[in-house]
Amino acid sequence: GDSVTQMEGPVTLSEEAFLTINCTYTATGYPSLFWYVQYPGEGLQLLLKATKADDKGSNKGFEATYRKETTSFHLEKGSVQVSDSAVYFCALPSNTGKLIFGQGTTLQVKP
Amino acid sequence: KAGVTQTPRYLIKTRGQQVTLSCSPISGHRSVSWYQQTPGQGLQFLFEYFSETQRNKGNFPGRFSGRQFSNSRSEMNVSTLELGDSALYLCASSLLGQGLSPNTEAFFGQGTRLTVV
Repeated sequence: GDSVTQMEGPVTLSEEAFLTINCTYTATGYPSLFWYVQYPGEGLQLLLKATKADDKGSNKGFEATYRKETTSFHLEKGSVQVSDSAVYFCALPSNTGKLIFGQGTTLQVKP
Repeated sequence: KAGVTQTPRYLIKTRGQQVTLSCSPISGHRSVSWYQQTPGQGLQFLFEYFSETQRNKGNFPGRFSGRQFSNSRSEMNVSTLELGDSALYLCASSLLGQGLSPNTEAFFGQGTRLTVV
């Protein structure tokens, strides 16, 4: 069945460091891919998305490229801030409409 | 445009009781999904409703149920609460099924934090 695998956390970085959170997926066809972010005490917010292979989603300095050859959708940011501390989820929609999430990666950015 | 609204934000219940959680979707959205989030299991899909019909259901016991009203608002109910039901319950709405592809993004509420003691 469809699945999403994210790198294990937590990830701890200093401010202005480069961030990569790995995400790989298994799916039939070529679904859209999403990154959601969950700030402390909040629900999930869509951070960015890509709807087809080779698409690059971007938002708030974060980027992710949909690579079908490696079935990956890694999240990157060139310079993280303390305010980026949150849990990040990679997700893909199944053919039944539900979202399949990775296990989540906690990012802590220290000043 | 108002987002997805979940009420209440926090609940404390005793084992064996039942609880009802409410979700108001974004105006115009007819698909409402529910997820349970726990530290150990992550985000797990409970069920999805569209136009008052349950279309999909996750792998949860029958104690978990839901419904959707004609205005698309949804409720989920958990009967005979167990300690393990303590979790953040998230509701999401989308335009899924309204002439759009399955890749339609979902918008989440802030969740209801349920604690069973």
